[in-house]
Amino acid sequence: EADIYQTPRYLVIGTGKKITLECSQTMGHDKMYWYQQDPGMELHLIHYSYGVNSTEKGDLSSESTVSRIRTEHFPLTLESARPSHTSQYLCASSERKTGGTDTQYFGPGTRLTVL
Amino acid sequence: GDSVTQMEGPVTLSEEAFLTINCTYTATGYPSLFWYVQYPGEGLQLLLKATKADDKGSNKGFEATYRKETTSFHLEKGSVQVSDSAVYFCALSDGGGSEKLVFGKGTKLTVNP
Repeated sequence: EADIYQTPRYLVIGTGKKITLECSQTMGHDKMYWYQQDPGMELHLIHYSYGVNSTEKGDLSSESTVSRIRTEHFPLTLESARPSHTSQYLCASSERKTGGTDTQYFGPGTRLTVL
Repeated sequence: GDSVTQMEGPVTLSEEAFLTINCTYTATGYPSLFWYVQYPGEGLQLLLKATKADDKGSNKGFEATYRKETTSFHLEKGSVQVSDSAVYFCALSDGGGSEKLVFGKGTKLTVNP
């Protein structure tokens, strides 16, 4: 089972602030993902990475950006937060098993509230 | 594109009742199928998975069988407990290169004592 960490767990900030949500995993997984979960529970993939220096946009358009400079670290940044960014953000990682399938393991999430 | 449809909730049961949460999928290839559970205030935890037709995934008394003929992966538990109250997500991974998960919309389960 993967160990994946997210900080902060809860964040309340004002409009216009720059924020970075941290995500780290200790399993050496190549692949990492960010999901946005709306109040109706539905999950939307907003960013993913297949390895260092690799980042891709997900299925849901997002104003956030990500970087992958180290294998274990996949931070998400909002340059200017707005109330519409209020949501729960979930980070996940996975490792491709030879002849098998990816299983994604999730962090505990960051609940962001923008006032 | 690939999609997952799961029964809408909320579902409310009494302790020791039988649970079924329906999940059907649409996929062009041969996907792997997953059930994740999300307890209040937490992230998602993998509950069980199945990677090919007729596989049965099981964990903590929950079971689901990969039915290719009906494109289904229904979650069942014979006797639910209050501690099973959570949101349950069905998901698929096509494994054919995109390696991304497609989730259903989630089903909230509440179990009363």
